[in-house]
Amino acid sequence: KAGVTQTPRYLIKTRGQQVTLSCSPISGHRSVSWYQQTPGQGLQFLFEYFSETQRNKGNFPGRFSGRQFSNSRSEMNVSTLELGDSALYLCASSLERRGAHYNSPLHFGNGTRLTVT
Amino acid sequence: AQSVAQPEDQVNVAEGNPLTVKCTYSVSGNPYLFWYVQYPNRGLQFLLKYITGDNLVKGSYGFEAEFNKSQTSFHLKKPSALVSDSALYFCAQGGSARQLTFGSGTQLTVLP
Repeated sequence: KAGVTQTPRYLIKTRGQQVTLSCSPISGHRSVSWYQQTPGQGLQFLFEYFSETQRNKGNFPGRFSGRQFSNSRSEMNVSTLELGDSALYLCASSLERRGAHYNSPLHFGNGTRLTVT
Repeated sequence: AQSVAQPEDQVNVAEGNPLTVKCTYSVSGNPYLFWYVQYPNRGLQFLLKYITGDNLVKGSYGFEAEFNKSQTSFHLKKPSALVSDSALYFCAQGGSARQLTFGSGTQLTVLP
């Protein structure tokens, strides 16, 4: 099975611009999550989608948004970029079982490294 | 709120020696616990998980972890370290909020 695919791998943007990152989950996985990884803050949860619905959102400003399509592919968007948005953005998918709490392992992509100048 | 602590930023061990990477979790959350490994310029790779049952969990690449409820710990172990085990290791706690809370990470260096 193909793993989680994130595109692009690298992005360089200027402050004030917006950016869209893409994620294709493992086939059959319907839950997609996004995390931001920075040296200072570590790994922080952005949001989670399941069947095109956002089920949970982390503590990030409204400039960070996402969506999920009917084929489970997901995108996240960051508008009005700031220098502090420079980070590795990781997408992860999981196979959610009926009635399961969050005990299914996440399968991560290799991330998109965003640099804001 | 959940919190996960990895008290050591860096762990060095000689090849062939046993290794331990420490993790403690918050009592307020349910103990759905995970270990992930990250190699440079890559995403996180799942190693093992504890949901319920035996306190000793076996995972990928010879790694195992010991769940200790009284000490709220979930330490990662391997009997004999390899140079190729050198990487960044993250402990994480899951829960009903459908998100993982990660520790700050421990850089493991295995010296030849």
